[in-house]
Amino acid sequence: DTGVSQNPRHKITKRGQNVTFRCDPISEHNRLYWYRQTLGQGPEFLTYFQNEAQLEKSRLLSDRFSAERPKGSFSTLEIQRTEQGDSAMYLCASAGRGSPANYGYTFGSGTRLTVV
Amino acid sequence: AQSVSQHNHHVILSEAASLELGCNYSYGGTVNLFWYVQYPGQHLQLLLKYFSGDPLVKGIKGFEAEFIKSKFSFNLRKPSVQWSDTAEYFCAVNGGSQGNLIFGKGTKLSVKP
Repeated sequence: DTGVSQNPRHKITKRGQNVTFRCDPISEHNRLYWYRQTLGQGPEFLTYFQNEAQLEKSRLLSDRFSAERPKGSFSTLEIQRTEQGDSAMYLCASAGRGSPANYGYTFGSGTRLTVV
Repeated sequence: AQSVSQHNHHVILSEAASLELGCNYSYGGTVNLFWYVQYPGQHLQLLLKYFSGDPLVKGIKGFEAEFIKSKFSFNLRKPSVQWSDTAEYFCAVNGGSQGNLIFGKGTKLSVKP
């Protein structure tokens, strides 16, 4: 499978715990995006990496959220001190060099987080 | 601020009925528009996209969409739906400075056999 891989698929955690998700993009893609999708909503942009550089962060990304993309390959999204409002599907998408509008984005299947 | 509005939250059709899902966007610059589909339990898949040129865009699985600049619209159409088209459909605009997508809230389509 050469698509975007996200792990784990599901995560249940207690409020206050830290969680980390991983995204493995398509190997030749240098652009990587994280989105959050809650029930009844479309995906909302969280943050963007070009290679290893984090170039944009949404205001949705509070101080409890941090993302990394060491060496410009896989990326991790960590949520510290989780709250019930963090329960959502976290999506990762990657895109190749050039305009994503031309070459398209590929989405992973997401990690569903439930905070109890 | 950029935004995307999808008019219908849930559409229920019988097989062979025609489909039109509305999408309006608010964005001042040059837009690239997308329709994605999400089948139950699966990841978002691209149905079609508009970049430039012919405003009538044909996508996969018999879907098409028309970009009407004067109306800021990009409605999705299919002449005859199938039960397998049951899914959630998202309209999106490439409006972010870094190419991030701005999505509508989605329209759930249920097709009755």
